[in-house]
Amino acid sequence: AQTVTQSQPEMSVQEAETVTLSCTYDTSENNYYLFWYKQPPSRQMILVIRQEAYKQQNATENRFSVNFQKAAKSFSLKISDSQLGDTAMYFCAFMKQRSGAGSYQLTFGKGTKLSVIP
Amino acid sequence: DTEVTQTPKHLVMGMTNKKSLKCEQHMGHRAMYWYKQKAKKPPELMFVYSYEKLSINESVPSRFSPECPNSSLLNLHLHALQPEDSALYLCASSQVPWGATNTGELFFGEGSRLTVL
Repeated sequence: AQTVTQSQPEMSVQEAETVTLSCTYDTSENNYYLFWYKQPPSRQMILVIRQEAYKQQNATENRFSVNFQKAAKSFSLKISDSQLGDTAMYFCAFMKQRSGAGSYQLTFGKGTKLSVIP
Repeated sequence: DTEVTQTPKHLVMGMTNKKSLKCEQHMGHRAMYWYKQKAKKPPELMFVYSYEKLSINESVPSRFSPECPNSSLLNLHLHALQPEDSALYLCASSQVPWGATNTGELFFGEGSRLTVL
C-alpha cells in the first residue's frame, strides 16, 4: 500500500515571499504520478502541478515548482512570490494505475494548510 | 469544457429521507469517482466507475448506492443515512487507460455539502 506523508499541518508565509511544502511517500511501484492539489475555502480541488515518476526533470508551472527526489521518495512544492490567493489547503497525492480496474488509485496526504499573510 | 458539475451544492436531509447527488462531465472521461471528505481531512475514495461499470467499492455501507447511467453522469443515491455521514462529497473524473498521452489528472467538482440531521 502507498502512504503519503505531509509533516507540516499548517504553514504561513508573507505575501511575495517563498515557501516550501514538504511531502514524502512510500511505494514499491516504479510507474506512478505525483501531484499537488490545492483546495481553497471555496472547496474545489484544483491541480497545481504534476510530476511523472520516470521524468528526472522537476516540473515547473509558473510560480510553482517541485523538487522531486525519487530515490529519497520526496516531492516538495515551492511557491514563489506568494499571493493572497494561494491561501488554501494543499494536498500531496500519489497516483498509480489500479490493476484490473481500468482506473487510478489516488492516495492523498493529510494536507498542509497554507496561509499567506498580507 | 474542463468542468465537473455537481448538484446540489448543499443538501440537508433527515435519517429517513431518500435523496441523490448528481455529477456530470463532458470531457469524454470514462472513469468517474466519488470521494467523501470530512472537515480538515483529505478526501477518501468511495467508488470508482470505469467505462460505466462499477470497478471499485471501498467497502462503503449499502446506504450509499452509486449509479452511472451513461458515460457523462454519475449519481450517488442516499438512504437512511446517519449523522456521521455528514461531509463534503466530491465527484471526479479522469481519462483511461494509462498511456503516454494521458495526464493521469483527476478533475474534481466543487462538491456537495451534505448534512444529515
